[in-house]
Amino acid sequence: DAEITQSPRHKITETGRQVTLACHQTWNHNNMFWYRQDLGHGLRLIHYSYGVQDTNKGEVSDGYSVSRSNTEDLPLTLESAASSQTSVYFCASSITTGELFFGEGSRLTVL
Amino acid sequence: QQQVKQSPQSLIVQKGGISIINCAYENTAFDYFPWYQQFPGKGPALLIAIRPDVSEKKEGRFTISFNKSAKQFSLHIMDSQPGDSATYFCAASIGTGGFKTIFGAGTRLFVKA
Repeated sequence: DAEITQSPRHKITETGRQVTLACHQTWNHNNMFWYRQDLGHGLRLIHYSYGVQDTNKGEVSDGYSVSRSNTEDLPLTLESAASSQTSVYFCASSITTGELFFGEGSRLTVL
Repeated sequence: QQQVKQSPQSLIVQKGGISIINCAYENTAFDYFPWYQQFPGKGPALLIAIRPDVSEKKEGRFTISFNKSAKQFSLHIMDSQPGDSATYFCAASIGTGGFKTIFGAGTRLFVKA
């Protein structure tokens, strides 16, 4: 079955370290997204991509970057992790039906 | 203008009762209104969605009511079951493809057996 997988599922890091969260989907969807989920804020869009070599900033993009070198992967990088980036991160993909397909999330703790 | 406001934050309902979650939006350009259901430790999954050309959509025990003039929409869960206990997010987007999807803050529903 096609799916979307995230890794690692849990990570603890220290302030100032670089962190990369992986996202891999096997649906061949062109559109991919990264969201962060925080209590009281719902899901907020960090970055998104329409296809290979395309990346765009979402509403909370400061301190994050993404790259899209193929259709299947959209890794999210925190260049210098901050405590404010402690969150649960969700990757999602979509086609044109409007439905977002989410991964199971990556819980990041920055100490 | 991009916000989607969701209430209540949490909801406790007896088994067999009706769960009602409300959302309001400001941007009249939104034209797709999905609801997502999320269980602990899992990612959100699409539950039901509606477009503004209809006032109601029903799928099994789940119904979306949509009031375009008031810019409000709500999710009704009939005959609520303990298995419905989850977090529910309303959302709104402009067009399909998932772009510009704005989520509400979420409602944690607990259905008492």
